[in-house]
Amino acid sequence: EAQVTQNPRYLITVTGKKLTVTCSQNMNHEYMSWYRQDPGLGLRQIYYSMNVEVTDKGDVPEGYKVSRKEKRNFPLILESPSPNQTSLYFCASSRSDRDNQPQHFGDGTRLSIL
Amino acid sequence: DQQVKQNSPSLSVQEGRISILNCDYTNSMFDYFLWYKKYPAEGPTFLISISSIKDKNEDGRFTVFLNKSAKHLSLHIVPSQPGDSAVYFCAAGLSGTYKYIFGTGTRLKVLA
Repeated sequence: EAQVTQNPRYLITVTGKKLTVTCSQNMNHEYMSWYRQDPGLGLRQIYYSMNVEVTDKGDVPEGYKVSRKEKRNFPLILESPSPNQTSLYFCASSRSDRDNQPQHFGDGTRLSIL
Repeated sequence: DQQVKQNSPSLSVQEGRISILNCDYTNSMFDYFLWYKKYPAEGPTFLISISSIKDKNEDGRFTVFLNKSAKHLSLHIVPSQPGDSAVYFCAAGLSGTYKYIFGTGTRLKVLA
């Protein structure tokens, strides 16, 4: 089954404690992206990656890091989480052989930073 | 500044009637638009898209209309079904950038 898998689905942690949210896709997609969803703000793009070792900032990259060492994985790293990063996070992937391909989303990771 | 706006946070429609969800954008450079549907505890799923070279795209019960001069697009669902109850997001993209701007979403409730 084609899917984007995020882990963990839920996490409560404390300010300053480094955390990583993993994302894996099994569709051999080149493009992967991270979004956060906040009330009244919709989905905002954090980082995206066009392929292995190619990443770029989205609209709200501050406080986040990403890496793309393998095609299937695109982890989101919060080096020193703060309460304003409490949010619902989504990873997505798509083909990039043609422009504007629809993205496949994971089921989300709800992070609470105390 | 919100470049893509969905001004109606919620909408209720009777089963069998038409649902119309609206989306406005400010950047005239956007040339591709998508609608996603999201159920609780799941990620958004792609519904339908439209390129700026078209003004209408249809897929079964779903039709998207694009009015470039007004910088406005709408999603029509006919007939509406209870299973359509979800949050709908519109998204705008610019070819070649692989960056997408999403609206804030509209919660649709279809009443049986």
